[in-house]
Amino acid sequence: DAGITQSPRHKVTETGTPVTLRCHQTENHRYMYWYRQDPGHGLRLIHYSYGVKDTDKGEVSDGYSVSRSKTEDFLLTLESATSSQTSVYFCAIRGLAGVHEQYFGPGTRLTVT
Amino acid sequence: DQQVKQNSPSLSVQEGRISILNCDYTNSMFDYFLWYKKYPAEGPTFLISISSIKDKNEDGRFTVFLNKSAKHLSLHIVPSQPGDSAVYFCAAQTTSGTYKYIFGTGTRLKVLA
Repeated sequence: DAGITQSPRHKVTETGTPVTLRCHQTENHRYMYWYRQDPGHGLRLIHYSYGVKDTDKGEVSDGYSVSRSKTEDFLLTLESATSSQTSVYFCAIRGLAGVHEQYFGPGTRLTVT
Repeated sequence: DQQVKQNSPSLSVQEGRISILNCDYTNSMFDYFLWYKKYPAEGPTFLISISSIKDKNEDGRFTVFLNKSAKHLSLHIVPSQPGDSAVYFCAAQTTSGTYKYIFGTGTRLKVLA
């Protein structure tokens, strides 16, 4: 257990509203990631962070922004939610130096109506 | 452009037999490959990995084989158990130093009792 929590776990929102998802870790890992999982697409990287205030885009970053003001928290914001952003969102951390695997949170199911 | 491909969306295997899950990649610069297992309503969990300088890694019932010339890796599960029924993702780590990961679309394994 890498001490990763995500909140909320489920959310239904309307098109055009802003939404923020939170990822919290308790083990001081440097690298944090946000993915979305959709049928037929597997896991796709949205944004990632390699330190406090250090973030970069992934392969599907349009419509999303992130912030990391503390080591333990990585926030994903949908500025104006669209139906195409209905998905399951997973946060992940990368282990310590020399450890290549990622550890994932339990996911957030987001529905945009 | 899908850099990591899992061409079999599903696979059914009898309990006790071998399960072979396949993954192909296009980028010669990946330096680490990983397999994850995912149960419904949970985050993916790390299973096994292999460095690009190796051709085999074994951990209990799980063995990963890497064929660099063919840009192909496979996960062997022997013997398969009903609890192995899950979606399996292969992933590749980029060498850029930013520790980004590209995931395949997943293969759903069903082990029949």
